[in-house]
Amino acid sequence: GENVEQHPSTLSVQEGDSAVIKCTYSDSASNYFPWYKQELGKRPQLIIDIRSNVGEKKDQRIAVTLNKTAKHFSLHITETQPEDSAVYFCAASRGAAGNKLTFGGGTRVLVKP
Amino acid sequence: DGGITQSPKYLFRKEGQNVTLSCEQNLNHDAMYWYRQDPGQGLRLIYYSQIVNDFQKGDIAEGYSVSREKKESFPLTVTSAQKNPTAFYLCASEGQGTFGYTFGSGTRLTVV
Repeated sequence: GENVEQHPSTLSVQEGDSAVIKCTYSDSASNYFPWYKQELGKRPQLIIDIRSNVGEKKDQRIAVTLNKTAKHFSLHITETQPEDSAVYFCAASRGAAGNKLTFGGGTRVLVKP
Repeated sequence: DGGITQSPKYLFRKEGQNVTLSCEQNLNHDAMYWYRQDPGQGLRLIYYSQIVNDFQKGDIAEGYSVSREKKESFPLTVTSAQKNPTAFYLCASEGQGTFGYTFGSGTRLTVV
């Protein structure tokens, strides 16, 4: 089955700096890679996703890059703000409804004012 | 709650007791999932269902059971066979032609 590894497990950045989280996956058939943000005690919320036919996707201050050959993808947050503090999860699946997501272990991001 | 409702929010279980967690969605989604989250850890898949009256085991199904008698509902029972059930349980759904889950707000289960 799919295995997703995520690094680092914790990340502390100064407000205004950038944050980068990296994930690797094992199943070469995976073609859908979402990122979720989870605030303390809350449900995960989808913040951005990318499919394998695209190498990069950007939405305001967040961007995701995908390298299918190396089987890794990354989340980039620029100009970090205190409200970016949360746990971020990457995930992978073969796409289409009913294809289960396999999640990474999560990265706790702390943005210091 | 974004179309998917979990109840109760908090649940306390005594040793040897079975408990059932509710998950209801009104999004007309075919696929539904149950994940377990332990403190400081990722989400691990317990069971999932792609269609009514059908479900599959995930990575950590032992000690759990599910049913899918209606499209809208996917209850999870934590049985006495689950030796360490204290965790945060998340239900999610996904529709045809869409990508990404919609999560419920979760149930925090504690063994007392």
